[in-house]
Formats: sequence, structure tokens, C-alpha cells
Amino acid sequence: GNSVTQMEGPVTLSEEAFLTINCTYTATGYPSLFWYVQYPGEGLQLLLKATKADDKGSNKGFEATYRKETTSFHLEKGSVQVSDSAVYFCALDNNDMRFGAGTRLTVKP
Amino acid sequence: NAGVTQTPKFRVLKTGQSMTLLCAQDMNHEYMYWYRQDPGMGLRLIHYSVGEGTTAKGEVPDGYNVSRLKKQNFLLGLESAAPSQTSVYFCASSRTGGNQPQHFGDGTRLSIL
Repeated sequence: GNSVTQMEGPVTLSEEAFLTINCTYTATGYPSLFWYVQYPGEGLQLLLKATKADDKGSNKGFEATYRKETTSFHLEKGSVQVSDSAVYFCALDNNDMRFGAGTRLTVKP
Repeated sequence: NAGVTQTPKFRVLKTGQSMTLLCAQDMNHEYMYWYRQDPGMGLRLIHYSVGEGTTAKGEVPDGYNVSRLKKQNFLLGLESAAPSQTSVYFCASSRTGGNQPQHFGDGTRLSIL
């Protein structure tokens, strides 16, 4: 079946540090891949997506590349800000939407 | 610009009580979804709908029922609440399925005593 595994948190970084949150998936065929972000007390918001192999999704300085050979979709940002503190969810849609467990990121000034 | 609106935002129930959560979207989306979010487990799909008058089971449908009588509304019902249904419930909608992103409401925090 379809599933998503992402690195456990919490992750704590200093402002301007480099961020990587790992995400790997299991699926047949060619799923679409997403990163969503959840700020405290709010619902999830789409951060970026990629719909086919080697696509790179990007938004607000975040990037993730769809790697079919390693079944991965790692989230990266070169320089995090305090305002990036949130929970990040990796997800796949293969006619069956599946989310990872979420990774809580805290960025300290 | 309301997007997806969930009511209520908070609710406390006693075991065995029933209630209905309401989700409304103003984006004319075809697809709507109900998820529950539990610590360490991400979001799990309860039920979904691909259009007015249709519903389908998701990953964890037991103990819940849904209805989509109008395109803009998707109701989630608990007929006899159990403590295991204590969770945060999120509604979402998307234009269609596949690679279309989902738009989420702010959630309903439900506690079953």
C-alpha cells in the first residue's frame, strides 16, 4: 500500500541554519508528492508539490526534489527564520492521500 | 475569503452522545475530506466525497458517518461517541483529486469524556 515516512522530530535550529527534513515514500505507480505546513492552531497549508520524477517544488525558500530512484522527497531550506517554526508534513496522493506523522521545527533567534 | 470553515472549533462530549461536525467551502470544489489528527500519527483519512451526493470510506471510517447533500457542505457524524474518538478533526477540499492540493479548515478539537 501507500505510505509516507518522515524523520521524527522535534528539530531545533538557530536562525539562519540549514534545514533538511527527510521524507521517503512507498507507492506503486507515480504518485504526486506534497509538503504541507501547519502553524499553531491552524489547519495545514500547502507549501510545495511535485507531480513527476525529477520535478523540484519550491516556495518561500523551501525546496524538495521528487527522487523516484530513492523514493524520497526531502525538504530543504538554506537559511531558516523564526517564523518558519511549525509542523511540516510530507504527503503523497496516489488516488489515496497519505500523510507522514509530521516533524515539529523550532527555530530560535 | 473564507475558504474552508469548520464548526464548532471546540466541543466536549460524554461517552455515548452524538454530534455532527460541519464543514463548508466556498471555492466550488468537487472533492471534500474529513481527517483526524492524533499525536505522532499525522493525519488519517476518515471519509471523503468526490462530488455532491457521493461519499466513500477512507483509512479509519469506523464509528463515523458522513453526508454531502450540498456541494459546499460535508458533514461528519458521530452516532455514539467513544473516548478513542478524542482527536482534532480537519476538513479539507480540493478542486478534483490527483495532484490537486487540498485546502484545510482550522480544525475542530473534540474531547470525549
